[in-house]
Amino acid sequence: EVQLVESGGGLVKPGGSLRLSCAASGFTFSASSMNWVRQAPGKGLEWVSSITGTVNYKYYADSVKGRFTISRDNANNSLYLQMNSLRVEDTALYYCARQRYGLGDFWGQGTPVTVSS
Amino acid sequence: QSVLTQPPSVSAAPGQKVTISCSGSSSNIGINYVSWYQQVPGTAPKLLIYDNNKRPSGIPDRFSGSKSGTSATLGITGLQTGDEADYYCGTWDSSLSAVFGGGTKLTVL
Repeated sequence: EVQLVESGGGLVKPGGSLRLSCAASGFTFSASSMNWVRQAPGKGLEWVSSITGTVNYKYYADSVKGRFTISRDNANNSLYLQMNSLRVEDTALYYCARQRYGLGDFWGQGTPVTVSS
Repeated sequence: QSVLTQPPSVSAAPGQKVTISCSGSSSNIGINYVSWYQQVPGTAPKLLIYDNNKRPSGIPDRFSGSKSGTSATLGITGLQTGDEADYYCGTWDSSLSAVFGGGTKLTVL
């Protein structure tokens, strides 16, 4: 059974940093591209970043480019999102998703990030 | 302002059919596959349609997808109260970023 479990969210002040993690199981993680997608309170889905499975190509939304870094540890079946210089507008529920079909065929339950002074 | 445009809401009676449109451009829908997601409030999104019209295992054939030019459409037949949710379209853009529509709230009257 495919499982994705996010962690690492929390309350942080503007300008601060957080590192999100996503633990994957039930599939060949190293062969799968992975996405981070966020959803601000009461708003729609916003793609944040993607990383390919083997060559590790990385892609970012303009809104986070230069501040967020996506990475993965295939040995430990884990996906990460390092978030620096956080802004109030980064407040959202952050989902990790496996990108085998579409933009996400399996999604975690999300980890909340609140940026507030 | 989302790159892909969806109607904010649609509604129909149980048993009826509804369609949800998703309008993009030649840099996204026009050249890439479209996928659709269902999100019941308080839960994670669920993939309904990928590659314009393919259904993942377990998704009933009441759900269908199509694409023409720079627009895509999700169709739902035999509406059930359990179909009440937010629906999102998504695709890749030539700028190497993924984009979602703003979402459509489906109400089953």
